[in-house]
Amino acid sequence: QVHLVESGGSVVQPGRSLTLSCAASGFTFRTSGMHWVRQAPGKGLEWVGVIWSDGSKKIYADSVKGRFIISKDNSENTVFLQMNSLRVDDTAAYYCARDKGGAPFDLWGQGTMVTVSS
Amino acid sequence: EIVLTQSPGTLSLSPGERATLSCRASQSVSSTYFAWYQQQPGRAPRLLIYATSSRATGIPDRFGGGGSGTDFTLSISRLEPEDFAVYYCQQYAASPWTFGQGTKVEIK
Repeated sequence: QVHLVESGGSVVQPGRSLTLSCAASGFTFRTSGMHWVRQAPGKGLEWVGVIWSDGSKKIYADSVKGRFIISKDNSENTVFLQMNSLRVDDTAAYYCARDKGGAPFDLWGQGTMVTVSS
Repeated sequence: EIVLTQSPGTLSLSPGERATLSCRASQSVSSTYFAWYQQQPGRAPRLLIYATSSRATGIPDRFGGGGSGTDFTLSISRLEPEDFAVYYCQQYAASPWTFGQGTKVEIK
């Protein structure tokens, strides 16, 4: 079975840090780029960032640049989203998604919820 | 940044009717890099259409995509109960990857 499973979401105070994980199974993870996409409650989809298949390149949305870091462990088939200096407007469901290279997001995880609140 | 604007915001239709959703890009997008996703309540998005008109694996043929340049469409020929959901367009031609704001297809 081809799967992506996110974990690590929780309630966190503004200014704090949190790291999300996305575990992959059933496909060749090392050849796939991985994106993070978020969705605030009742809102649309917002692209957060991407990491190339080999981890050599990362691109971030302006809204998270300098605060969020994406990393990829191809030996553990896992991609991470380290979120620093969290703000109330970072509150969202966070999804990881697969990109086989210049391709659409053909596989999504179920999402993990992050709530930033004092 | 390529801005995608979807219309209408909400489409109220009955099962069996045809749905036509639109997405307009702020600049030309190669048809190779345009997609549509479906999101049902409480679920993750699912890829429906890629490269403007190619159906993803397992997507029924009542879903069709078309368009070019700055104007793209998603059509659902005969709405089934499970098709009432929110639909998003996306361009993956250039960073940042962007989505439209979504069109909700609701039961009339």
